Amino acid sequence: NAGVTQTPKFRVLKTGQSMTLLCAQDMNHEYMYWYRQDPGMGLRLIHYSVGEGTTAKGEVPDGYNVSRLKKQNFLLGLESAAPSQTSVYFCASSYPPLAGPFNEQFFGPGTRLTVL
Amino acid sequence: AQKVTQAQTEISVVEKEDVTLDCVYETRDTTYYLFWYKQPPSGELVFLIRRNSFDEQNEISGRYSWNFQKSTSSFNFTITASQVVDSAVYFCALSETSYTGANSKLTFGKGITLSVRP
Repeated sequence: NAGVTQTPKFRVLKTGQSMTLLCAQDMNHEYMYWYRQDPGMGLRLIHYSVGEGTTAKGEVPDGYNVSRLKKQNFLLGLESAAPSQTSVYFCASSYPPLAGPFNEQFFGPGTRLTVL
Repeated sequence: AQKVTQAQTEISVVEKEDVTLDCVYETRDTTYYLFWYKQPPSGELVFLIRRNSFDEQNEISGRYSWNFQKSTSSFNFTITASQVVDSAVYFCALSETSYTGANSKLTFGKGITLSVRP
């Protein structure tokens, strides 16, 4: 049981390049999320998904796109990377909130992205 | 809108001291969950505790204890007899719970960096 995994762990991009971050979970969770963590800012929600084929915007969605074609995978895309997108990106997954005591979010190990 | 405030940004203590990390939240929901996560220097996020808004009982788990007070909208975390391994960034978070297909989002505080010196 791997939990939540993220690929890649590190990446350096040049301004304007594109890339996709992959998140995979093997816990059969309905909900998946992408956050970014910046110094002194805590974690901020970029996009999230409440089920296969659905996505929604979070707090800081600009410059990112997402897709949830399969229940276990949640992809985060940067079409034209900017230095402001230098951050650590975390993926998380959870059961729906009314699932009771099991609704905490499980986080992946993070992806450190630098945009030059 | 939800908000989580962790007014302390950095705390430094000597090993074996007790330390309390403060968390104050704002929400219009009557049903919500509060969480604490730990982020050690290795970077991963470790779930510590979840508390729903209807359960105001304090909880103790080993050296960790949590004090939830709805009257003051606070969910404080105390580490008793701190150890060097407790050095980490600690995040408090608040979750909406209404199931309308667009929820269960966590709003995080900015985190408290705890340093425990030997």
